[in-house]
Amino acid sequence: KAGVTQTPRYLIKTRGQQVTLSCSPISGHRSVSWYQQTPGQGLQFLFEYFSETQRNKGNFPGRFSGRQFSNSRSEMNVSTLELGDSALYLCASSLGRGADTNEKLFFGSGTQLSVL
Amino acid sequence: QKEVEQDPGPLSVPEGAIVSLNCTYSNSAFQYFMWYRQYSRKGPELLMYTYSSGNKEDGRFTAQVDKSSKYISLFIRDSQPSDSATYLCAIPPSRGGKLIFGQGTELSVKP
Repeated sequence: KAGVTQTPRYLIKTRGQQVTLSCSPISGHRSVSWYQQTPGQGLQFLFEYFSETQRNKGNFPGRFSGRQFSNSRSEMNVSTLELGDSALYLCASSLGRGADTNEKLFFGSGTQLSVL
Repeated sequence: QKEVEQDPGPLSVPEGAIVSLNCTYSNSAFQYFMWYRQYSRKGPELLMYTYSSGNKEDGRFTAQVDKSSKYISLFIRDSQPSDSATYLCAIPPSRGGKLIFGQGTELSVKP
């Protein structure tokens, strides 16, 4: 069974640009979550999508957005990039049963974004 | 105060040592507790999860939860160089895919 696939693996952008990152979840998984990982702040939750609807959102500005398609694949977009957006962006998928509080998340290897 | 606190280390031990990794949390309502392991240039992978207080053992790994102290621990027995990674505690504050992570402890096991 293929794992969570994130593309691209590395990305270099300049301030003010926008970027779109892609995530393909494990087959059969309906929930996709996005996280930002930096040395200073660690892993921080961005948002979660389930059945094409945003189910949960972290404390990030509106420049960070996402969407989920009918096949559960997800994209996240960051507009007007800032230097502080340089980070590893991780996508995680889970079955998305909803009622469980112990959803097992399976992470991809991430997209390393560098903003110059 | 952060909801989940973890000493970032780094922690260096000789092969065969017993390793103790710890986190504290602030919300007594939390019920599920997880440990993830992250190798360099990889995403985190779920190592263990526990519910409420008590111990859970899986091979060389033991997860322990003390809800009265709001303290969670991961013990690694007979540590191996392949255990060298960053270990993150994580707590789901509610249902779904949101997890609150600790800062992560970087562990190095020297042969």
